[in-house]
Amino acid sequence: QQQVKQSPQSLIVQKGGISIINCAYENTAFDYFPWYQQFPGKGPALLIAIRPDVSEKKEGRFTISFNKSAKQFSLHIMDSQPGDSATYFCAASINWGAQKLVFGQGTRLTINP
Amino acid sequence: EAGVVQSPRYKIIEKKQPVAFWCNPISGHNTLYWYLQNLGQGPELLIRYENEEAVDDSQLPKDRFSAERLKGVDSTLKIQPAELGDSAVYLCASSLGGGNTGELFFGEGSRLTVL
Repeated sequence: QQQVKQSPQSLIVQKGGISIINCAYENTAFDYFPWYQQFPGKGPALLIAIRPDVSEKKEGRFTISFNKSAKQFSLHIMDSQPGDSATYFCAASINWGAQKLVFGQGTRLTINP
Repeated sequence: EAGVVQSPRYKIIEKKQPVAFWCNPISGHNTLYWYLQNLGQGPELLIRYENEEAVDDSQLPKDRFSAERLKGVDSTLKIQPAELGDSAVYLCASSLGGGNTGELFFGEGSRLTVL
């Protein structure tokens, strides 16, 4: 049972463009939605996270948009750079914690120079 | 401050052989996790420790996998015997635990290849 569904599996964007990755979830008890970034040969690292009491959170070029009624959230990367090329995972958990994080399947993002 | 340290980074073994992975979490992090990451997939939780107690091992295949966290610091994950399907990256992560927010700090992983 896949609790968090992520799309697309892979994405190619030109430098300076906007990268958009989407996730959908089923469990309405989820209340913490982080995005992790993983470079080849490295472990995932927290990029940005949101709680369902807000519809958007922005940190630099990275923005999470959250739609509670649709049970969807997305990551937007503005002015995408070659250094953003990585695999991105959405995740979700209950009680704002890391204890039961459920990850999506990942999106491999490539930014062409 | 040092991050989560894992070893070995790479391990190649024949099927039916045993293998062990070691993890040293970030100092002060009470919660330690072992995740399995198959190629092209997201991490999946195997086991979670709060200090030295395994509080969630529901996803750990206990017939061949075992883990321990002696003294509530370092942890070891063992597979015996290994099967072809165990080829994957084994990620260790730690967090502050308790009521803190959910940031996981991952190590670089141990990549296992079973031949």
